[in-house]
Amino acid sequence: SAVISQKPSRDICQRGTSLTIQCQVDSQVTMMFWYRQQPGQSLTLIATANQGSEATYESGFVIDKFPISRPNLTFSTLTVSNMSPEDSSIYLCSVRQGSAADTQYFGPGTRLTVL
Amino acid sequence: GDSVTQMEGPVTLSEEAFLTINCTYTATGYPSLFWYVQYPGEGLQLLLKATKADDKGSNKGFEATYRKETTSFHLEKGSVQVSDSAVYFCALSAYGSSNTGKLIFGQGTTLQVKP
Repeated sequence: SAVISQKPSRDICQRGTSLTIQCQVDSQVTMMFWYRQQPGQSLTLIATANQGSEATYESGFVIDKFPISRPNLTFSTLTVSNMSPEDSSIYLCSVRQGSAADTQYFGPGTRLTVL
Repeated sequence: GDSVTQMEGPVTLSEEAFLTINCTYTATGYPSLFWYVQYPGEGLQLLLKATKADDKGSNKGFEATYRKETTSFHLEKGSVQVSDSAVYFCALSAYGSSNTGKLIFGQGTTLQVKP
């Protein structure tokens, strides 16, 4: 399976600022995903990021708040803009890989706290 | 829409006890089904998967069978260890018109195993 790393692993940020989270994969993948896990909750998909095209956002998530870049097949960034305490969550990237191409593997996550 | 429902937690067991975590799903078509595990402070790890009816996924002593007739994918282990203490997520891979294969997660079940 792919090895996925994320930076930073955790951060504490002030209200109104922005944070960019990086996701690096050790192999080329077509589809990358960004999920949010709010405290004590399950995971919710924010958007799907394909290289060379605009990200596709899920209902309730907008590009102005969560801009995503996907410059190549091994890297993506998610920015959390104009943060508020409600954005405090774990943000995880994942990639789809495997012979059946339906299995997703996750990075270790970025734990964000907004004060 | 597609959804996944897991049994409420936390589940507290003594070491070597038998484990069952119930998972049922609602989906159009024939989704792939997954169990992921999240150890304290870590990201999600794929535990096992099944891609079609009557398939049994297994890993590390855990197993789950894809039951189409009952729309279930219950996780079982014959003898749990303290090291199995974690949050377990049931998920399905949903294919819509965009064929993105996004994952839909259940709410997660916390397992605590006491020595």
